[in-house]
Amino acid sequence: AQKVTQAQTEISVVEKEDVTLDCVYETRDTTYYLFWYKQPPSGELVFLIRRNSFDEQNEISGRYSWNFQKSTSSFNFTITASQVVDSAVYFCALSHQGGSEKLVFGKGTKLTVNP
Amino acid sequence: NAGVMQNPRHLVRRRGQEARLRCSPMKGHSHVYWYRQLPEEGLKFMVYLQKENIIDESGMPKERFSAEFPKEGPSILRIQQVVRGDSAAYFCASSPGNYNEQFFGPGTRLTVL
Repeated sequence: AQKVTQAQTEISVVEKEDVTLDCVYETRDTTYYLFWYKQPPSGELVFLIRRNSFDEQNEISGRYSWNFQKSTSSFNFTITASQVVDSAVYFCALSHQGGSEKLVFGKGTKLTVNP
Repeated sequence: NAGVMQNPRHLVRRRGQEARLRCSPMKGHSHVYWYRQLPEEGLKFMVYLQKENIIDESGMPKERFSAEFPKEGPSILRIQQVVRGDSAAYFCASSPGNYNEQFFGPGTRLTVL
């Protein structure tokens, strides 16, 4: 069975602080994908990143970076120099290659960035 | 290129009525997924469809819920005889095919009175 755990329910930081959102996953598949989505207060879901299980290179996109470590089954997300607009709920998700490729989501981490 | 469209954005129904939620995938996308987000919970997969076919409905409640994606027109998620526990945000996502990211619509917030 597949499972995603986001142990941090809520995080509150002050603007310009760095913040890391943790994501730990469980799967028996050898080939799978990991995702991060952002859900701002307006409610829509915004795709941030998809990572293939064979690609363990870390990725950086502006102030966002992702650290994928298969050895610890983790796919953590760091926001550098956080801004108020980063306030949102962030979801980590997992799908396996083949089959229906449905996404299995964690319960999300609510990030509040205070001015 | 318009994104995934869902309507209505908000839907209010009384217990026992029917709810119909519509989803138009992004242009060129032939795969549609429905997810439900209950209050204080993450998103849960409901059903995966391709044109005229249900591929995986393992997340659909056994009764009252059905989904379709006809050859022409939007995908429809139908909930018959709604109950208060059906109140949730229902999200549709689409992708162009296998091994691609899913793009989500803005969701339909269903409230059952």
